[in-house]
Amino acid sequence: TQLLEQSPQFLSIQEGENLTVYCNSSSVFSSLQWYRQEPGEGPVLLVTVVTGGEVKKLKRLTFQFGDARKDSSLHITAAQPGDTGLYLCAGDDSWGKLQFGAGTQVVVTP
Amino acid sequence: EAGVTQSPTHLIKTRGQQATLRCSPISGHTSVYWYQQALGLGLQFLLWYDEGEERNRGNFPPRFSGRQFPNYSSELNVNALELEDSALYLCASSLIRRQGQLEQYFGPGTRLTVT
Repeated sequence: TQLLEQSPQFLSIQEGENLTVYCNSSSVFSSLQWYRQEPGEGPVLLVTVVTGGEVKKLKRLTFQFGDARKDSSLHITAAQPGDTGLYLCAGDDSWGKLQFGAGTQVVVTP
Repeated sequence: EAGVTQSPTHLIKTRGQQATLRCSPISGHTSVYWYQQALGLGLQFLLWYDEGEERNRGNFPPRFSGRQFPNYSSELNVNALELEDSALYLCASSLIRRQGQLEQYFGPGTRLTVT
């Protein structure tokens, strides 16, 4: 089983600060997805990274895939209260299913 | 375009009963995935259906089962409910992978409470 470890588990910051969430594994994934989930709702796909070293930007969110395709990071610049949520990374294990990390709960206070 | 839909939104059952949860994928998607998300825990993979066939299942007992219909909608059945089955059950759909990318789109979930 390929395990994805996310850190930190919980992050509480003030509006305007920056934050980084990490997703690490000892296994190689063919692609990796990041999702955001709000309480009582399903996860929403934010981005997919495929190529080692790839960097994708989505407004104030920057996603990076490690060169060896084993790890990824999500960086949020100037966080806003609307960024509050559970951030999940998920790796494509090439067997038709995603392996999810346990998630990082981000709370941004005004 | 409509997203993934799930019904019911909430379901309350007593221990020992059976629960049936339903999912309709995004139009054109042939694969349906089921996940269990217990309170405070991550998503645990339950089942994957594609083109009407069960392709893979997670580490769950046989009382968790399901099926996919010709229109690609899916049903998850949980027999002999136990208290620890209380969780948010999420359904996701995807297209057949392209260039190694597997992107899943989730429904809002069914909150199952077993008393």
